[in-house]
Amino acid sequence: GAVVSQHPSWVICKSGTSVKIECRSLDFQATTMFWYRQFPKQSLMLMATSNEGSKATYEQGVEKDKFLINHASLTLSTLTVTSAHPEDSSFYICSARGLRGHSYEQYFGPGTRLTVT
Amino acid sequence: AQSVTQLDSHVSVSEGTPVLLRCNYSSSYSPSLFWYVQHPNKGLQLLLKYTSAATLVKGINGFEAEFKKSETSFHLTKPSAHMSDAAEYFCVVSVGGGSYIPTFGRGTSLIVHP
Repeated sequence: GAVVSQHPSWVICKSGTSVKIECRSLDFQATTMFWYRQFPKQSLMLMATSNEGSKATYEQGVEKDKFLINHASLTLSTLTVTSAHPEDSSFYICSARGLRGHSYEQYFGPGTRLTVT
Repeated sequence: AQSVTQLDSHVSVSEGTPVLLRCNYSSSYSPSLFWYVQHPNKGLQLLLKYTSAATLVKGINGFEAEFKKSETSFHLTKPSAHMSDAAEYFCVVSVGGGSYIPTFGRGTSLIVHP
């Protein structure tokens, strides 16, 4: 079964509003979470990496004030797209890494499709 | 530094014929390597992973991949393609010498003809 969930799976919002996407690790503690963005028919591009309790590290070119990442607990990270615009429409995927069983594992969430109208 | 190159953007095969999706990597440390599949409008599904154990890795749905250090390759194969295999495939490298940040290849679109 799934070990990383995302909510919502899809969302449509109006331009100028903010949208929050949740990423949860279901049966392990995620010491590190990653957020990716995927444009149609393209690969996944890393947006940011976050460790529990500390500020996220953003990749070059990613606006930290626009894409707010919070990793407040070992099982939850959130990505908030602030003042969304149509160009923010994309597929957002999170990934969680942590000790599961006897080894460190990394799992990807199912993704959230954001459409900004 | 780490990187991954998927040599083909598209691979087209007939149903029942073998599949070969190529992946080469570059890494300063011993890598972990993964293959993921993504069906249209869906999330990622892990096919298989290599983490320094056996060099021939068997995954789900009849896929397997062989880690060849001398060739820095991790090609994905399947003996006989099914129509349901049509999807986007991503090769991913992750290195522990840094922060285990997975780096994705650009993806290979597998097209299966009846």
